Amino acid sequence: GDSVTQMEGPVTLSEEAFLTINCTYTATGYPSLFWYVQYPGEGLQLLLKATKADDKGSNKGFEATYRKETTSFHLEKGSVQVSDSAVYFCALKSLTSGTYKYIFGTGTRLKVLA
Amino acid sequence: EAQVTQNPRYLITVTGKKLTVTCSQNMNHEYMSWYRQDPGLGLRQIYYSMNVEATDKGDVPEGYKVSRKEKRNFPLILESPSPNQTSLYFCASSWGRNQPQHFGDGTRLSIL
Repeated sequence: GDSVTQMEGPVTLSEEAFLTINCTYTATGYPSLFWYVQYPGEGLQLLLKATKADDKGSNKGFEATYRKETTSFHLEKGSVQVSDSAVYFCALKSLTSGTYKYIFGTGTRLKVLA
Repeated sequence: EAQVTQNPRYLITVTGKKLTVTCSQNMNHEYMSWYRQDPGLGLRQIYYSMNVEATDKGDVPEGYKVSRKEKRNFPLILESPSPNQTSLYFCASSWGRNQPQHFGDGTRLSIL
């Protein structure tokens, strides 16, 4: 079945460091891919999305490219801030047997130190 | 303001006492779903609904029920809660094939 695998955390970085959080997926067909962010005590918020191969999603300095050949959707940011400290979830949405299915990764906690 | 509203936000209760967590969205979304979030397991889908009177099991439906009598509401029912249902629950809704889900703020349930 469909699945999402993302790197285990926590990831601890200093402010202004480069961030990469790896995400790979297994899916039949052509899923849409998402990154969500969860700040402490809050629900998940959409960070960015990509709906087809080679699409690049970007928002708030974060970006991720839909790579069908490597089935990956790695999240990157060139210079992290303390305010980026949160849990990041990679997710896919696929259409299987006429039903939409959302699959989430286990989440990666990011901690940015001043 | 577009939002998904869950109630209650926090609940501590005892084993076997029926409870309902309500979820309401004001975006006219057709698709709604419930997830539970547990440490190390990420989000796991409990039930989802493609539209009114159309619900189906997700990955972890045991011990839960849902209903979708009207488009905006999708309550989660625990008929006889047990301690292993202690978790953080999220309701979400979306519209359209490539559209992301909008999440509520979560409900933290503790079953003693």
